[in-house]
Formats: sequence, C-alpha cells, structure tokens
Amino acid sequence: DVKVTQSSRYLVKRTGEKVFLECVQDMDHENMFWYRQDPGLGLRLIYFSYDVKMKEKGDIPEGYSVSREKKERFSLILESASTNQTSMYLCASRQRQETQYFGPGTRLLVL
Amino acid sequence: KNQVEQSPQSLIILEGKNCTLQCNYTVSPFSNLRWYKQDTGRGPVSLTIMTFSENTKSNGRYTATLDADTKQSSLHITASQLSDSASYICVVSARGDGGSQGNLIFGKGTKLSVKP
Repeated sequence: DVKVTQSSRYLVKRTGEKVFLECVQDMDHENMFWYRQDPGLGLRLIYFSYDVKMKEKGDIPEGYSVSREKKERFSLILESASTNQTSMYLCASRQRQETQYFGPGTRLLVL
Repeated sequence: KNQVEQSPQSLIILEGKNCTLQCNYTVSPFSNLRWYKQDTGRGPVSLTIMTFSENTKSNGRYTATLDADTKQSSLHITASQLSDSASYICVVSARGDGGSQGNLIFGKGTKLSVKP
C-alpha cells in the first residue's frame, strides 16, 4: 500500500526559530513536492524535487528551502519562521506523470 | 493563464441526497484531470483520473464526467453519506516540457457538508 508519511501532525514554533518538516515515501517515486494549504487559497506549490539532490522552486519558495539527500526523503526547512508561515503543509510524491500521493499534513503554528 | 475554477465554494446537503460539484478549467495543452477528496486535517486522496478521451468514470458512489470541448468536469455523489463530508479538489495537469512537475493546476476546492 502506498505511503507518504510526515514527521509531525502538529507543530508549534516561535518566530525566528528554524523549523524542519520531514517527508518520507516508500514507493520509490522520483518526484516529491511540498505544498502549503491556506483557507481560500487552496494548495500552493513551494518546492519540488525530481531526483536526489535536485530541486526546483514552485510558486511560493520565498522563506523556504528544501533538501533531498535520499530518494525517499524530502525535507522542508523554514530558516527563520515567521507568523505568516502558519499553515497546513502537505508533502506529496509521484512517479513521473502518475497520480500524486499526499501525506497526512503538518499543521504548523508560528507564534 | 492556466486556471481551475470550482463551484460552489461550499455546499450543505442532507444525508441520502445527491449532489454535483463543478470544475471549469482553462488549461492548455490538457493532459488529464483528477478529483481528490480531502477529509478535514488530512491529506488529499485521489478519487478519479480522466484523460482527454474519457467522458465518464465511476468510483463507487462517485461519478466524474469530463467535457473536453467546453473544458468542464463534474463530480456527482449519489446517496450521500456523513463520511462524504470533505473538501473536493479538482486538479488539472497540463502537458509541459516533460518536467516532473507536469504543470499541475489546483482548484481551491468545494467544501461539502452532509448533515443527518
């Protein structure tokens, strides 16, 4: 069964903290994605990766960075968290043009 | 500009009733269209995928239609259940430059509430 897991379901951080969100997939997918989801705005792509050590900016990369050292793991990093980064973060993976599989999401609150 | 518009934004229906959600898109060149169901606080889960040549596809009580000429899709839910309460997201894939992103364009979703 397909599985995408995210390291935390809920996180509370303070402004200025460095935040790591981790995502692991067990399907040997090449492509992995990070989205944020906000009410009224839908899902917006932050970064994606099509191979180990490869990354591409999405629509809203400002304030974020990513790391993909292993095929199964894709990390999202908030170098200095700000209150406007309070959101639901969703990781996804897929093989080429196939269906995307999403993780359960991490709800991040930045105080 | 590639866009996906969903309507209505939200919908409340009584258990057992049918409903239809709409998705209009201006995406070119079109590759495929997916409907996802997202339960509150969870990640989206794929319901159906439709390519250019497909008009109708069913998944249990969910039936998706696609009119590639008018660039419209609908998701029909039959005999709704309380567990159908969720957001339904339409995602259209554009044929891009072969990159892994595949140019996915997300609608903002329709929030469905099924009441007893």
